[in-house]
Amino acid sequence: EVHLVDSGGGLVQPGGSLRLSCAASGFTFSSYWMSWVRQAPGKGLEWVANIKQDGSEKNYVDSVKGRFTISRDNAKNSLYLQMNSLRAEDTAVYYCARDSYCSGGTCYFDSWGPGTLVTVSS
Amino acid sequence: DIVMTQSPDSLAVSLGERATINCKSSQSVLHSSNDKNYLTWYQQKPGQPPKLLIYWASIRESGVPDRFSGSGSGTDFTLTISSLQAEDVAVYYCQQYYSAPGTFGQGTKLEIK
Repeated sequence: EVHLVDSGGGLVQPGGSLRLSCAASGFTFSSYWMSWVRQAPGKGLEWVANIKQDGSEKNYVDSVKGRFTISRDNAKNSLYLQMNSLRAEDTAVYYCARDSYCSGGTCYFDSWGPGTLVTVSS
Repeated sequence: DIVMTQSPDSLAVSLGERATINCKSSQSVLHSSNDKNYLTWYQQKPGQPPKLLIYWASIRESGVPDRFSGSGSGTDFTLTISSLQAEDVAVYYCQQYYSAPGTFGQGTKLEIK
């Protein structure tokens, strides 16, 4: 059974940094693209970033380019999101998700972690 | 970016009745190379992550009850729940994966009447 567990969220001041982690199990992690998707409180879903199986390709939504970095460690079955220069509008639950099918780096998601809440506030 | 617009924003349906949710994309998500619509539907219950229901606009994910069905092509899509059950109360999202960035509809909240 596919199992994803996100962690690392918390309260951070504007301009601060945070690193999210996602531990994967139950499937061959190195065979899948992986994504981060976020959901602001009471709002809809927004894809944030994804990364190819070997880490050779990474894509980001425009609003986080230059501030967020997605990475992975296939030996540890883990996905990461380094978030710098955080803004109030980055406040959201962040989900790691397994990409089921991708075309040109755009994917849909067949498994999701429970999410980790990031709050950016002074 | 492709804009996904769902209607209605909220919907109340009686138990056992049909529920219909619409999703419209600002441009076609039908790929001419394979004649497939790059459109998915997710269900999100309160306090839970989203769950994949439908992909390629009409293919039901494994384990999803057959009362859920997806239809449509090009720019107009529909998610239908043929006979609403209490456990179907949730917010439903469509998503296109035709072009970057993958974008979601705003969500449709489904409740029991």
